[in-house]
Amino acid sequence: NAGVTQTPKFQVLKTGQSMTLQCAQDMNHEYMSWYRQDPGMGLRLIHYSVGAGITDQGEVPNGYNVSRSTTEDFPLRLLSAAPSQTSVYFCASSYSSTSGRAKNIQYFGAGTRLSVL
Amino acid sequence: GQNIDQPTEMTATEGAIVQINCTYQTSGFNGLFWYQQHAGEAPTFLSYNVLDGLEEKGRFSSFLSRSKGYSYLLLKELQMKDSASYLCAVRGLSGSARQLTFGSGTQLTVLP
Repeated sequence: NAGVTQTPKFQVLKTGQSMTLQCAQDMNHEYMSWYRQDPGMGLRLIHYSVGAGITDQGEVPNGYNVSRSTTEDFPLRLLSAAPSQTSVYFCASSYSSTSGRAKNIQYFGAGTRLSVL
Repeated sequence: GQNIDQPTEMTATEGAIVQINCTYQTSGFNGLFWYQQHAGEAPTFLSYNVLDGLEEKGRFSSFLSRSKGYSYLLLKELQMKDSASYLCAVRGLSGSARQLTFGSGTQLTVLP
C-alpha cells in the first residue's frame, strides 16, 4: 500500500493564481483532512470530510475549497493564491470514529510545500 | 473549543530520559495522540491514550490524566535520531473536533 500520496511536493505560485493540491489514499479510510503547518503555530485544520460527498470547514477554511467525489481522493483548491497561504500543507486520513477501531490513527502524506510570491 | 499547550523547546543528552508535557482544555474528549515529526517530513504516530494511565511501547511511554487535562510523553535511552518535533493532539467528540487539534509542538534536541 502507498498510504497517503500528495502531489506536488513543491509549488511556487504568483499572487492571484489558482491551483489544486492532490491527495489520494488507498487504505479505504472514511475520514480525510487537510492541515496547514506554519512555524510556531502547529498544524491547523482547513477542511475535512467524513465520507464521499460530505465535506465541512475546519479552523482556517477561507481561501480554500474541497470536494470528495470518491473515497480515495480529496483535492484542495486554492482559488486565488495570496502570500498568507505560503505554508506546508498536509493531507491525512483515518477510519471513522464509528468503525470500531478505537485508535482511528490519522496517517499523513509527505506534504506539499507552497510558496506564494 | 480546544486549547493545547506544550513547551516550545527541550534539550537532553544522548542516553538520558526526557519528559515532554502537554496540557489541554477541551469541551469533549475522545483521545490524545502523540506524533513525531522530523524536519521536512510528515508527522508519524507514536502513541494514543483515551483512558487514564500509562501506555508503554518500547523506549516511548505516554501518560494521561483526564481529570487534570494533562499528558506526558516519556522518551528513554535517548538516541540522536530522537531529535525531532513532538506534537500533542486531542480528538474531540463532534464536528471538526472529531479530527485532531494539535499543539504547536516541542522541538527536542538530543546532544551527544
